[in-house]
Amino acid sequence: DGGITQSPKYLFRKEGQNVTLSCEQNLNHDAMYWYRQDPGQGLRLIYYSQIVNDFQKGDIAEGYSVSREKKESFPLTVTSAQKNPTAFYLCASSRGAGKNEQFFGPGTRLTVL
Amino acid sequence: GQNIDQPTEMTATEGAIVQINCTYQTSGFNGLFWYQQHAGEAPTFLSYNVLDGLEEKGRFSSFLSRSKGYSYLLLKELQMKDSASYLCAVPPSTDSWGKLQFGAGTQVVVTP
Repeated sequence: DGGITQSPKYLFRKEGQNVTLSCEQNLNHDAMYWYRQDPGQGLRLIYYSQIVNDFQKGDIAEGYSVSREKKESFPLTVTSAQKNPTAFYLCASSRGAGKNEQFFGPGTRLTVL
Repeated sequence: GQNIDQPTEMTATEGAIVQINCTYQTSGFNGLFWYQQHAGEAPTFLSYNVLDGLEEKGRFSSFLSRSKGYSYLLLKELQMKDSASYLCAVPPSTDSWGKLQFGAGTQVVVTP
């Protein structure tokens, strides 16, 4: 079955630690995205990648980093520089152009203690 | 700039109809998406409108007026499982494909 997987579903970290969230897709999609969702708010774009070895900052990239070494994988690192990292993180992918729908993974709920 | 407005919450009874409005401002229009998101889960695609008018998909329909910067999602014959947040999203400009801007979502509560 094709889809997007994110792991883990729940993640707890101590303040000051970097943490990497996994996102893998087997849909053969070129584009991948990371969003953050806070209670009562819509999704906000952190980073996106249109093609392997290329990525761009979204609206709230500060304190985050990504890599896109393989088409299938787009891991997100939440660094200690992110002032308020506790949130629900969603990864998505699409075939490419904007008119193509984005498919979302199940999300990772990160809690920083 | 980008501005997407949707009501925060709507309540309706099972079997009824609910219309969720979305107004947007973009520096170039490249389509509008509606997603459904159940609590704690991933958003799932409902519809995409790029031309004016109404598109119907079973119990769900989506309408677009580009001149008014307005869309609505119509949910008919409401079922309890339709209780969810409904997100309106647009690309911010015609050359910013993929960079969807999402509204805050409308929480629909279906009561028995």
